[in-house]
Amino acid sequence: GESVGLHLPTLSVQEGDNSIINCAYSNSASDYFIWYKQESGKGPQFIIDIRSNMDKRQGQRVTVLLNKTVKHLSLQIAATQPGDSAVYFCAEKGAGGTSYGKLTFGQGTILTVHP
Amino acid sequence: DARVTQTPRDKVTEMGQEVTMRCQPILGHNTVFWYRQTMMQGLELLAYFRNRAPLDDSGMPKDRFSAEMPDATLATLKIQPSEPRDSAVYFCASGASGSKNEQFFGPGTRLTVL
Repeated sequence: GESVGLHLPTLSVQEGDNSIINCAYSNSASDYFIWYKQESGKGPQFIIDIRSNMDKRQGQRVTVLLNKTVKHLSLQIAATQPGDSAVYFCAEKGAGGTSYGKLTFGQGTILTVHP
Repeated sequence: DARVTQTPRDKVTEMGQEVTMRCQPILGHNTVFWYRQTMMQGLELLAYFRNRAPLDDSGMPKDRFSAEMPDATLATLKIQPSEPRDSAVYFCASGASGSKNEQFFGPGTRLTVL
């Protein structure tokens, strides 16, 4: 029978281009926002995080931007490589109490990098 | 190279059978998380432990699922009885509480319930 699943957003880019992956979050009380990368057959892998009182944070080839006004998070990957092909998840981290440390994941974006 | 390990990597079982999944968190990490990933629901948190104490298992169906940490080096997730709708990849992750946000995920257990 026909299977029904999540229709994940997809992004296809050429090797060497810059990629921008977007995420909308819901909980304005979250204290951290985090990006994870998941390659096929593997568990998610931490990329970068940003605290809620920051607008921008840079890592190696990656930059995360946070716009709290519109509850929007983005991940920019510079000079995208075929090895960057994966599903990218944004996650919100709970701020306190029993929510402390608890991550709520978005649905993910599939990034495909063509050589 | 410290890693979270999970066993088994793959499990095929019949409806009604008990399934036990095991996780060894990274030594020194005091938070352990169980997640379930499906095409329909994405990545969902099932249970969360800090210093071996369960903090939140609101994402877990209580009637058939149970999660425990018998000691600091072992976390278990049990399903009894299993149902076809439990088919998914189950991930364990560990982390260090405090300012660090990184959760280290294991390779997952792919469960198929026939």
